[in-house]
Amino acid sequence: SQQGEEDPQALSIQEGENATMNCSYKTSINNLQWYRQNSGRGLVHLILIRSNEREKHSGRLRVTLDTSKKSSSLLITASRAADTASYFCARVIGSSYKLIFGSGTRLLVRP
Amino acid sequence: GAVVSQHPSWVICKSGTSVKIECRSLDFQATTMFWYRQFPKQSLMLMATSNEGSKATYEQGVEKDKFLINHASLTLSTLTVTSAHPEDSSFYICSARGDKNTGELFFGEGSRLTVL
Repeated sequence: SQQGEEDPQALSIQEGENATMNCSYKTSINNLQWYRQNSGRGLVHLILIRSNEREKHSGRLRVTLDTSKKSSSLLITASRAADTASYFCARVIGSSYKLIFGSGTRLLVRP
Repeated sequence: GAVVSQHPSWVICKSGTSVKIECRSLDFQATTMFWYRQFPKQSLMLMATSNEGSKATYEQGVEKDKFLINHASLTLSTLTVTSAHPEDSSFYICSARGDKNTGELFFGEGSRLTVL
């Protein structure tokens, strides 16, 4: 299977709460990326974390990477209704830099 | 950020017809573009890697005669779904590599194909 695993598959939270999504993978990586997809739309790149980095921040987003456990997490703090979307982790493989996506987490932020 | 334009955004066709989807990088040159397929509430599955001036590289299980990919210029790749059938109905998304070193991709808005 191409995909890594993400959990939870779906997450429903109240506006203002934090949302945490996890991603696991099996092969070694150069970097791991997180993307967002609104329903029926293309993907938007959120953040990239390199294999030698452990944590990275971008606004309300915080990404961690644990290469020993082959896992990453995306934390969205102080969530807003507009954060409702699907979130995917993705890893780059091969010399052609193919991007392989995880199974995704569907986040619903209730106003 | 870089812009990738995909056209058409949606298309409805009869079974047996062929449909072409275009993917253009508007403000950068993309030697490599990727085509993904996404079923409802599922993740993106990589179909093929499109390289400018050469044959596309298809992922295992993807029929190259069914999904024809052409990458004739540094800014345009096309996916043609030949003899489309209802099971080909899906959301097709292209992407272009914007940064060779990081592998960051810029995505088109997707094309929703419905085959009747």
